[in-house]
Amino acid sequence: DTGVSQNPRHKITKRGQNVTFRCDPISEHNRLYWYRQTLGQGPEFLTYFQNEAQLEKSRLLSDRFSAERPKGSFSTLEIQRTEQGDSAMYLCASSLALTGRETQYFGPGTRLLVL
Amino acid sequence: ILNVEQSPQSLHVQEGDSTNFTCSFPSSNFYALHWYRWETAKSPEALFVMTLNGDEKKKGRISATLNTKEGYSYLYIKGSQPEDSATYLCAFLLLETSGSRLTFGEGTQLTVNP
Repeated sequence: DTGVSQNPRHKITKRGQNVTFRCDPISEHNRLYWYRQTLGQGPEFLTYFQNEAQLEKSRLLSDRFSAERPKGSFSTLEIQRTEQGDSAMYLCASSLALTGRETQYFGPGTRLLVL
Repeated sequence: ILNVEQSPQSLHVQEGDSTNFTCSFPSSNFYALHWYRWETAKSPEALFVMTLNGDEKKKGRISATLNTKEGYSYLYIKGSQPEDSATYLCAFLLLETSGSRLTFGEGTQLTVNP
């Protein structure tokens, strides 16, 4: 296993278009997280899944954002009607949760630019 | 709103220098503190997960300490090398939301000049 992978690595889109990102976690990991990082800031939590259940969503996740993890393996993050403010790095992480303190292993991210 | 602060924001050192950064976090409801190293165009790399007051952890030339009572952690790099150039992020895990959200600081950007 080579770690968490994310596709695409870069995405340029026009305002108003929909985009979808994919995350493939480390295979035995039951938790999957989405974060967003904008320039000069640290990553900010968006949402997380335990297996296929979405257990927590940040208030940053507006109605235009939806995340799924249909079979408890890969996850998708969709942004509808993109806005310029959605331009950011979208990071996915996974962990094997036992106590909750476990390391979250990150993918390389998808960099989104909305024109 | 949790406030995790890192200082300095950026740091330039010469190869061979030793350096350290600070991460400040709320001292109440502490659950864990994570340190990550993030090189440009790569995945953030986990360095340490620190859980107990007084924890000291070491990985090669990098070490970290934790003080949960006063709410700070230090990351030390001994004999910096150009390949240490990266952004170093700390992330706080709150007891009430254990297992979910990491709250990150803004990072310390380290540049090591040969």
